[in-house]
Amino acid sequence: LAKTTQPISMDSYEGQEVNITCSHNNIATNDYITWYQQFPSQGPRFIIQGYKTKVTNEVASLFIPADRKSSTLSLPRVSLSDTAVYYCLVGDMDSGGYQKVTFGTGTKLQVIP
Amino acid sequence: DAGVTQSPTHLIKTRGQHVTLRCSPISGHKSVSWYQQVLGQGPQFIFQYYEKEERGRGNFPDRFSARQFPNYSSELNVNALLLGDSALYLCASSFSPRDNPYEQYFGPGTRLTVT
Repeated sequence: LAKTTQPISMDSYEGQEVNITCSHNNIATNDYITWYQQFPSQGPRFIIQGYKTKVTNEVASLFIPADRKSSTLSLPRVSLSDTAVYYCLVGDMDSGGYQKVTFGTGTKLQVIP
Repeated sequence: DAGVTQSPTHLIKTRGQHVTLRCSPISGHKSVSWYQQVLGQGPQFIFQYYEKEERGRGNFPDRFSARQFPNYSSELNVNALLLGDSALYLCASSFSPRDNPYEQYFGPGTRLTVT
């Protein structure tokens, strides 16, 4: 069972780059790393997914070192609307070959004006 | 295109009662998963259905059950409600759980309060 560890909370000023690191020491060879964003009273929203090295989309970048035991979500120039909880997920394959999506406690990001 | 829809939005029930929550996935998506989110915690996986069959089950008691219909919509049923069942119940859909199980699209949730 791959488990993730993230900081409980982070504060950042508007316009700054924010990096949230997730530890996943027991990640399996074929597991992907996925990040979700959740605003209060809403369902989580898929942000980005990667397997190794670096992935970038219009919202964020994901950095994964060669040993894949951690990953870093990078949010460029955050705004107040980026205040949310960010979840890091890794694979959790069940006996039937289907992967259960397991959320941890997430990182609560507070963007300050 | 419409996103994942859930009904009802809010619900208040009494201990011991039964509740049915409904979810319609994004058009073309064949997999539906259910999650329970207690205030201050991350979503906890309850069930996953794909092609109308249960493909995954989390650590929830047998009071929780679900099914998926031919049109891929789904129902979550909870019997003998307890105060601890009060939570936001989230439904998520994806095209196929095996191709990319982590890229799911979540609905707004149903807020269940048990008194």
